[in-house]
Amino acid sequence: IAGITQAPTSQILAAGRRMTLRCTQDMRHNAMYWYRQDLGLGLRLIHYSNTAGTTGKGEVPDGYSVSRANTDDFPLTLASAVPSQTSVYFCASSEQGGANNEQFFGPGTRLTVL
Amino acid sequence: GQNIDQPTEMTATEGAIVQINCTYQTSGFNGLFWYQQHAGEAPTFLSYNVLDGLEEKGRFSSFLSRSKGYSYLLLKELQMKDSASYLCAVKDSNYQLIWGAGTKLIIKP
Repeated sequence: IAGITQAPTSQILAAGRRMTLRCTQDMRHNAMYWYRQDLGLGLRLIHYSNTAGTTGKGEVPDGYSVSRANTDDFPLTLASAVPSQTSVYFCASSEQGGANNEQFFGPGTRLTVL
Repeated sequence: GQNIDQPTEMTATEGAIVQINCTYQTSGFNGLFWYQQHAGEAPTFLSYNVLDGLEEKGRFSSFLSRSKGYSYLLLKELQMKDSASYLCAVKDSNYQLIWGAGTKLIIKP
């Protein structure tokens, strides 16, 4: 049972380049999320999807886009990376987007933008 | 604005008990979560409280007071493997999780 997988594990990227972080879950969860985690700050929600075909903006969506073509996959794209997007990115999923659903996290992608 | 406050770092001794506090101010409340995160790893779920009171799960317990905007995580019989960051998060009126910055717990032998 894989749960949630993310790729790549880490990446160094030149500023201005386009990058897609991949996320796949095999739990048939309806809701998926992208967070970034920076030192001294809490996890911040970038984008989310409550079900396949729908997406929504979180707290810090600027510079990022997502798509949810099917239940399993939720890629995050940085159209033109900037150094402030250097962070650890976590993908998560939950059965539903409702109140008492715990979120399960992928192993994270460590991204450095130079 | 929305705010979750937790101590940045705490130190405790192996075998002892430690209480990690969390206070919150959010637009709406739909439950409070505690997660554990070991260095370099993903957060993993520990507990969920939506009603006032204490929820016990083995060595870990979590308490909630909605009127005070307050929760704590109680860890008993501390083990070295409990050295980790503990994250408090609240689901707001939009059912989105608002996260605290986490409390780094250092366990000494």
